Amino acid sequence: EVQLVESGGGLVQPGGSLRLSCVVSGLTLSTSWMHWVRQAPGKGLFWVARITHDGKTLYADSVKGRFTISRDNAKNTLFLQMDSLRDEDTAVYYCARDASWRLDPWGQGTLVTVSS
Amino acid sequence: DVQLTQSPAFLSASVGDRVTITCRASQGFDNYLAWYQQKPGKAPRLLIHAASTLQTGVPSRFSGSGSGTEFTLTISSLQPEDFATYYCQQLNSSPLTFGGGTKVEIE
Repeated sequence: EVQLVESGGGLVQPGGSLRLSCVVSGLTLSTSWMHWVRQAPGKGLFWVARITHDGKTLYADSVKGRFTISRDNAKNTLFLQMDSLRDEDTAVYYCARDASWRLDPWGQGTLVTVSS
Repeated sequence: DVQLTQSPAFLSASVGDRVTITCRASQGFDNYLAWYQQKPGKAPRLLIHAASTLQTGVPSRFSGSGSGTEFTLTISSLQPEDFATYYCQQLNSSPLTFGGGTKVEIE
């Protein structure tokens, strides 16, 4: 069974940084495409970033240059480094596997709150 | 970017009702469309992929159809556990985009 477990969320001031982690089990991260998706409080889903099996990355325009998606294959862990955080980055952040043109499964999410 | 517009945004229905949710795209694409169900405080759950393929383990009362710019999710007979918010997502082109969601509430 594939399982994804996020961690690293918390309260951070505007302009600050945070690194999210997503530990995966039941799959080989080095051969998988992975995504980060976020959901602001009371709002819908918003795609944030993707990394392919060979390390190619793609970002939403609103986070490009501020967020970095990466992975540590040896630790089967996906990361999202978030710098220059803004109020509007406040959200629950989910990691999800790209299972060929669909996201499945998803982790349980980790809450990031950007506030002074 | 491909914009996805879901309708309706809110839907009140009763157990046993047939429910249809529509997802319209700003430009046409192949059937790289998925549907997800999300309950409060939980992660989204994949229901349908490739526009009409039922994900393993999902009840057969859920079905998807459509192509090009119009896609639909149908629940043939609404059950108590189906009250949730539903999202469509296109995976045809980057950035990946989601519809705004349809909240299905008890009438």
